[in-house]
Amino acid sequence: EVQLVESGARLVRPGESLRLSCEASGFTFRNYWMTWVRQAPGKGLEWVANIRPEGTDKYHADSLEGRFTISRDNGRNSLFLQMSSLRVDDTAIYYCARDSNNFYVDSWGQGVLVTVSS
Amino acid sequence: QSALTQPASVSGSPGQSITISCTGTSSDVGNYDYVSWYQQHPGKVPKVIIFGVWSRPSGVPDRFSGSKSGNTASLTISGLQSEDEATYYCSSYTNIKWPAHVFGTGTQVTVL
Repeated sequence: EVQLVESGARLVRPGESLRLSCEASGFTFRNYWMTWVRQAPGKGLEWVANIRPEGTDKYHADSLEGRFTISRDNGRNSLFLQMSSLRVDDTAIYYCARDSNNFYVDSWGQGVLVTVSS
Repeated sequence: QSALTQPASVSGSPGQSITISCTGTSSDVGNYDYVSWYQQHPGKVPKVIIFGVWSRPSGVPDRFSGSKSGNTASLTISGLQSEDEATYYCSSYTNIKWPAHVFGTGTQVTVL
């Protein structure tokens, strides 16, 4: 069974940094593209970033203005999202997700809540 | 990456059929057969119900079906049931920033 377990939930101040982690199990992690998706309270889904299986290529939403960086450690079956210069409007549930080989998200973590507030 | 456009809400009575549209552009929906649909119940994680425009993952009832014409994809729920009350999101890839996902604005389905 595919499992994705996020960690790193916190209340942070505007301008601070935070690193989210996602531990994967139940599948061969190094074979899959991985994705972060976020959902602000009461809002829709927003793609944040994804990363190639080898970790060599990373893609981020333009709206993030270079503040977030996705990465992975295939030896530890882990996905990360480094977030800096956090803003109030970054407040959201952040989901770790697996991209299937058929171009859709086939597995989601339970999500981790990041709250940015002064 | 601009969101795909969906109606904010759609409603129907049990047993009826409803259709949710998802309008994109020639850079996303119109360019790829990679449209997927996700169902999200309140407080729950999204779940894929359609991928590749019309394919259903195992376990998804066949009352859910997908289609596409030009820049618009559609999700049809036939024989609407109370458990279908949820928010539905479409998604595609975009060649403006491959391989970015772009999601729809979301549609709240209400079973009357």
